Amino acid sequence: AQKITQTQPGMFVQEKEAVTLDCTYDTSDPSYGLFWYKQPSSGEMIFLIYQGSYDQQNATEGRYSLNFQKARKSANLVISASQLGDSAMYFCAMREGWAAGNKLTFGGGTRVLVKP
Amino acid sequence: EAQVTQNPRYLITVTGKKLTVTCSQNMNHEYMSWYRQDPGLGLRQIYYSMNVEVTDKGDVPEGYKVSRKEKRNFPLILESPSPNQTSLYFCASSLNWQGIETQYFGPGTRLLVL
Repeated sequence: AQKITQTQPGMFVQEKEAVTLDCTYDTSDPSYGLFWYKQPSSGEMIFLIYQGSYDQQNATEGRYSLNFQKARKSANLVISASQLGDSAMYFCAMREGWAAGNKLTFGGGTRVLVKP
Repeated sequence: EAQVTQNPRYLITVTGKKLTVTCSQNMNHEYMSWYRQDPGLGLRQIYYSMNVEVTDKGDVPEGYKVSRKEKRNFPLILESPSPNQTSLYFCASSLNWQGIETQYFGPGTRLLVL
């Protein structure tokens, strides 16, 4: 079974609007971390935001926020006030607590295109 | 500037010709890792290293070798590349392998094996 599922292969969003990118995960480990990365067309991976499984509050970083619903095993990324520079691939990733090697397991990604 | 560097950024080679992709970080990170990215599959871990002289296999290690003789460097070696190793490769590092340490990625190496 997929550990990280991103069901939206691609989406359009109007500039200045908010967009939500879905991510569901599967783990039986009580301790885990969830990450979102941005990959622009230039190819580099840019860390955006982190949520720990024991964190009480949803993580926020500037225009990025993570809607963490633990019981549903979802960790959706919300980008507020979209900008043209937000056009990119977005990857959700998970690190499980005792998994050897700090391995990040990635979802298949969601491509976002911001329209002017 | 804190960064992870990879070389080369782009490489076209032929089947069977040994190649090495270098990775270096200047952040004194203990943990380093290699991933490959293929369309629709996200990133998959090839090998990782928790510290100097400590390496272990990730999810897709077949056809690859690594070494960690120095803390800053973690080269990826393809002894006999094959076309199915055509991919985008990322090196990543983090302070250590525990806790919430996020991984910082290099710029990627696009490899085409003919």
